[in-house]
Amino acid sequence: DAKTTQPNSMESNEEEPVHLPCNHSTISGTDYIHWYRQLPSQGPEYVIHGLTSNVNNRMASLAIAEDRKSSTLILHRATLRDAAVYYCIPYAGNMLTFGGGTRLMVKP
Amino acid sequence: DSGVTQTPKHLITATGQRVTLRCSPRSGDLSVYWYQQSLDQGLQFLIQYYNGEERAKGNILERFSAQQFPDLHSELNLSSLELGDSALYFCASSVGTYSSYEQYFGPGTRLTVT
Repeated sequence: DAKTTQPNSMESNEEEPVHLPCNHSTISGTDYIHWYRQLPSQGPEYVIHGLTSNVNNRMASLAIAEDRKSSTLILHRATLRDAAVYYCIPYAGNMLTFGGGTRLMVKP
Repeated sequence: DSGVTQTPKHLITATGQRVTLRCSPRSGDLSVYWYQQSLDQGLQFLIQYYNGEERAKGNILERFSAQQFPDLHSELNLSSLELGDSALYFCASSVGTYSSYEQYFGPGTRLTVT
């Protein structure tokens, strides 16, 4: 499994953009980069995923470095509901391997 | 709402007992995954089924077993329960097994072993 490195925690102000970084330098060429988040007392929630190109959906954007060794999840306007632990996971198609993730705190 | 349902929501039982956790995947999803989340171990993958067949196994104890039925729902059986089995158990489903498919998680079953 590819190893990932994420900051333990980050803080953001409400309605400001947030950039959550992830290093995955040992990622395999066919692994998609998946992002999930877990809100307090809930199950993990799919956020976004991509292979090489940058991706956008209604929740977030994903910027993937050209060498694929890192990626950044972008929340365009953080809300209090976005306070969660965010996990970056290089995914081969069977098991999701969750690391420690980044705990995002959003201040009103 | 992810579309994945899990029952029961909470389960309290004694050491040595056996329990069954149930998961219904999203409509159209063929793959089911089970994960365990405990305070000291974080989220850990247990086992995956695809269209009724076991596809991948994680650090699942021998006391634990699972199966996926023809209607695609899945059950996780935990036996000879120990205090350390107390955890949240999540089921997830996806369309298939390729890395381009995302997983959708259920709300979980909280198991407390006393």
